[in-house]
Amino acid sequence: QKEVEQNSGPLSVPEGAIASLNCTYSDRGSQSFFWYRQYSGKSPELIMFIYSNGDKEDGRFTAQLNKASQYVSLLIRDSQPSDSATYLCAVNKGTGFQKLVFGTGTRLLVSP
Amino acid sequence: KAGVTQTPRYLIKTRGQQVTLSCSPISGHRSVSWYQQTPGQGLQFLFEYFSETQRNKGNFPGRFSGRQFSNSRSEMNVSTLELGDSALYLCASSLGGTGGADEKLFFGSGTQLSVL
Repeated sequence: QKEVEQNSGPLSVPEGAIASLNCTYSDRGSQSFFWYRQYSGKSPELIMFIYSNGDKEDGRFTAQLNKASQYVSLLIRDSQPSDSATYLCAVNKGTGFQKLVFGTGTRLLVSP
Repeated sequence: KAGVTQTPRYLIKTRGQQVTLSCSPISGHRSVSWYQQTPGQGLQFLFEYFSETQRNKGNFPGRFSGRQFSNSRSEMNVSTLELGDSALYLCASSLGGTGGADEKLFFGSGTQLSVL
């Protein structure tokens, strides 16, 4: 079992729709969770982080965390073609650890 | 504030050679992490340095090594290169503390290594 699992996609949504990206993790001791966006040929860019169960909103992005189910999701509202990228879920395994484990990413395609 | 700087941007080497990659973190960041990214495996953690000490290590062979200097700049070395080492090597810096914003990683543009 992979430590962090994501559907590779591609996930195709029309412009203006809500894109829902999902991630599961295996280590129950994981403490912090991150979503990175990576455009083709570019390096990953942090877009959201979450530590507590529940929802965290930042503009068009909402991160959701359910530690009991070991599940993290990212919702992108009003999706734009510029959101087309690979979204990487990353999990830090505990306080004091600087060792983010990344999923292989979900490719999102937003069509005009 | 300048971002994370990695040099060189591209490298072409042959099997058996060694290579050194360089990373300058964001000013004030004391932690530097290195990742290998390939299409098949995604981002794989190599190691992390904090205040000149290796604090965490991934599951890579001993051919992969690194170090950090007193100014937080870091280098990564790969000896006896193999074809499978061809990848994008990403450096990321953070404040390096526990919890909160201290854990956020900021990535450099990477070094694309090709081993022929």
